[in-house]
Amino acid sequence: IAGITQAPTSQILAAGRRMTLRCTQDMRHNAMYWYRQDLGLGLRLIHYSNTAGTTGKGEVPDGYSVSRANTDDFPLTLASAVPSQTSVYFCASSDSASQGGDTQYFGPGTRLTVL
Amino acid sequence: GQNIDQPTEMTATEGAIVQINCTYQTSGFNGLFWYQQHAGEAPTFLSYNVLDGLEEKGRFSSFLSRSKGYSYLLLKELQMKDSASYLCASVDSNYQLIWGAGTKLIIKP
Repeated sequence: IAGITQAPTSQILAAGRRMTLRCTQDMRHNAMYWYRQDLGLGLRLIHYSNTAGTTGKGEVPDGYSVSRANTDDFPLTLASAVPSQTSVYFCASSDSASQGGDTQYFGPGTRLTVL
Repeated sequence: GQNIDQPTEMTATEGAIVQINCTYQTSGFNGLFWYQQHAGEAPTFLSYNVLDGLEEKGRFSSFLSRSKGYSYLLLKELQMKDSASYLCASVDSNYQLIWGAGTKLIIKP
């Protein structure tokens, strides 16, 4: 049982390059999320998906896009990376997005550095 | 607006008790989570409170007062492995989580 996997574990990227962070879950959860975590700040939601085929914008969506073609996968794409996108990125999933107590389970994270 | 406040860092002694506080202002409040995050790792679920009162789970307990917009996480019989950051997150009217910046807990022998 893997839970949630993310790839790559870490990446150094030149500014202006395109990058896709991968996220796969095997728990058949309906909802998936992408967060970034920066020192001194709380986790900030980038994009989310309540169910396969739908996506929504979070608190900090600019410069990022997502897709949800199936239940298991939720890739995050940086179309043209900028240094301010240097961060640790966490993917998470929960069984439902419409219940207050639904626990979110997190992947191991991707540490991205944009130079 | 929506806001979560928790102390940046706390220090405690092995074997002791520590209380980590969290205050929130969240529209359409739907509960509050506590997560633990060890350095370089992912956050992991500790507790969820939606009703007022104390919920105990082994060495960890979590308390909520909805009228005061206040929660705390109580850790008893501290162990060195409890050194981690503790994240408070409230659930808003859209069932999305509003995260605090986390409290780094340092345990000393």
